[in-house]
Amino acid sequence: KAGVTQTPRYLIKTRGQQVTLSCSPISGHRSVSWYQQTPGQGLQFLFEYFSETQRNKGNFPGRFSGRQFSNSRSEMNVSTLELGDSALYLCASSASVVRAGNTIYFGEGSWLTVV
Amino acid sequence: QKEVEQNSGPLSVPEGAIASLNCTYSDRVSQSFFWYRQYSGKSPELIMSIYSNGDKEDGRFTAQLNKASQYVSLLIRDSQPSDSATYLCAVNLMFSGGYNKLIFGAGTRLAVHP
Repeated sequence: KAGVTQTPRYLIKTRGQQVTLSCSPISGHRSVSWYQQTPGQGLQFLFEYFSETQRNKGNFPGRFSGRQFSNSRSEMNVSTLELGDSALYLCASSASVVRAGNTIYFGEGSWLTVV
Repeated sequence: QKEVEQNSGPLSVPEGAIASLNCTYSDRVSQSFFWYRQYSGKSPELIMSIYSNGDKEDGRFTAQLNKASQYVSLLIRDSQPSDSATYLCAVNLMFSGGYNKLIFGAGTRLAVHP
């Protein structure tokens, strides 16, 4: 069973540009969450999508957005990049059934450097 | 108060010893608890999940959960240098409708020295 796939793995952008990151969840998983990880802030929840709907959102500015497609693949977009957006962006998928025990599995992440 | 708290470490233990990693959380309704291991430059890897009070063992790893005290721990027996990593405690907040929000602690760095 293939894992969570994220692309691109590494990218460098200039301040003010925008970036789109892609995530393909584990087959059969309908929930996709995005996290930002920086040395200073740790892992911070960005948002979660399920069946093309954003169900939950973290405390990030509106420059951060996402979407999910009918095949559960998800993209996140960051507009007007700032230096502080440099981070590892992690996508996680889960089956998201209504029970305790939703296990979340991470992709390898996209390393974004803003210069 | 942070929702999930861990001692940042580093926790240094000799090879072969037991490493004890601790985590406290603030939300009493949390139902699912996870330990992830993260090597430098890599993404988090799930080690253990625990949902009920008590102990859960998997090989050299034992997760312990005490919901009354809002406390979850991870014990690593016979620690090996390859266990040196950052260990992230995560608490899954369930919302009506079945969706989750996984909140992470800042992580504890573990260093196992020969």
